[in-house]
Amino acid sequence: SQQGEEDPQALSIQEGENATMNCSYKTSINNLQWYRQNSGRGLVHLILIRSNEREKHSGRLRVTLDTSKKSSSLLITASRAADTASYFCATDRRQAGTALIFGKGTTLSVSS
Amino acid sequence: DVKVTQSSRYLVKRTGEKVFLECVQDMDHENMFWYRQDPGLGLRLIYFSYDVKMKEKGDIPEGYSVSREKKERFSLILESASTNQTSMYLCASSLWGTGTGEQYFGPGTRLTVT
Repeated sequence: SQQGEEDPQALSIQEGENATMNCSYKTSINNLQWYRQNSGRGLVHLILIRSNEREKHSGRLRVTLDTSKKSSSLLITASRAADTASYFCATDRRQAGTALIFGKGTTLSVSS
Repeated sequence: DVKVTQSSRYLVKRTGEKVFLECVQDMDHENMFWYRQDPGLGLRLIYFSYDVKMKEKGDIPEGYSVSREKKERFSLILESASTNQTSMYLCASSLWGTGTGEQYFGPGTRLTVT
C-alpha cells in the first residue's frame, strides 16, 4: 500500500533556526496531511494540503506539495523548544477512502 | 473542541487475557479508527469504522476485533493478549465525507503484555 516516508528520521537544531522535513509517497493522492506528536501523547493535526494546491501556510508552518515528484515538505520557521516533537505525514487511501496511511515520522529536537 | 478520550493511559495485562480498550469521542463523528504505534514502524491501522455496527479491517487486524454499538464509542478487543501486542494504541475520529480529512486523536493507551 502507498505510504509516506519522512526524511530525515531525526533532526536537531537550535532555537530560532528553520526546520525542514520531507515526505515522499508512492501513488496518487487526494490530499496530504501533517501531524505533530509530543512525547508519549496523541497526534495533533497541523495542516492539510490538497492535490491541486502547491503551497499552504499556517502561522510558522509552510507546506509544499509536488505531485509530479510525489513529495511534500514541511518547513517550521524560527523554531522554538516547544516545537520539539515527532512529525508525521499522512496520505489518503484511494481504495478505502476514509483511512489514512502514516509515515514513520521525523523526530525534531530544538535546543535553547 | 473535539475531545477523544481513551479509557486508560497505561495498562498491564498477562498473556492470554482478554483486553478491552475503549475510545469515546464527543463530536458526533461518523468515522473512528484504531492504530498501534511501535518504534521504527510508525502508526499502523488496525481497524476502522464509518458507522455504528460497521467495521473495516486495516493493515494489521490479526489478533484484534472491534465493536461499535454506539456512534461515540469504538472498542478494541484483544481476544487473547500476547507479548507481541505490547504497544501504544491510538484511537482517532473524523467527520463523514471528510474521512480523509483531519483526524482527531486520543492521548493513547500504552499496553504492556507480560
